Amino acid sequence: GENVEQHPSTLSVQEGDSAVIKCTYSDSASNYFPWYKQELGKGPQLIIDIRSNVGEKKDQRIAVTLNKTAKHFSLHITETQPEDSAVYFCAASGLSGNTPLVFGKGTRLSVIA
Amino acid sequence: NAGVTQTPKFQVLKTGQSMTLQCAQDMNHNSMYWYRQDPGMGLRLIYYSASEGTTDKGEVPNGYNVSRLNKREFSLRLESAAPSQTSVYFCASSETYSNQPQHFGDGTRLSIL
Repeated sequence: GENVEQHPSTLSVQEGDSAVIKCTYSDSASNYFPWYKQELGKGPQLIIDIRSNVGEKKDQRIAVTLNKTAKHFSLHITETQPEDSAVYFCAASGLSGNTPLVFGKGTRLSVIA
Repeated sequence: NAGVTQTPKFQVLKTGQSMTLQCAQDMNHNSMYWYRQDPGMGLRLIYYSASEGTTDKGEVPNGYNVSRLNKREFSLRLESAAPSQTSVYFCASSETYSNQPQHFGDGTRLSIL
């Protein structure tokens, strides 16, 4: 089945700097890659997603890139703000096995004002 | 916009007690899911219902049962709670089973003594 590795597990950046979180996946048949943001005491919230027919997608300060050949995808947050502090999860569609989405273990992002 | 609603938000049980976690969605989604979230483990799928009338095991189903009561509601039951089931439980839903964003509730925090 699919396996998703996420790095780093923790990340601290100064306000205004950029943050990059990287994920790798194992199943070359996976074709859907969402990113979730989880604030303290809340459920994960979808912030951006990308499908395998696209190499990059942007939404204001957030962008995701996908390299299907290398089987990795990344989340880029520019001009970080304190409200970006949260845990971020990547996921990949698991077309084999018994789970539709396989999640990474998460990255705790701290934006220091 | 309620989205996915989970009840209760918090619960403390004694070992051996039973408990049903409730989940309802108002987005007319076909698929629903139950996850557990433990520190350092990310989100792990317990059970899912790809469509009304069907349920299937996920990655960690032991000790749990589910019922898809109707299209809106999907419940998770612990028949005989164990301390290892202390966790935060999230319900999610999606329009269809594969390659679709999942929308999460805010979780049930369950402690088993």
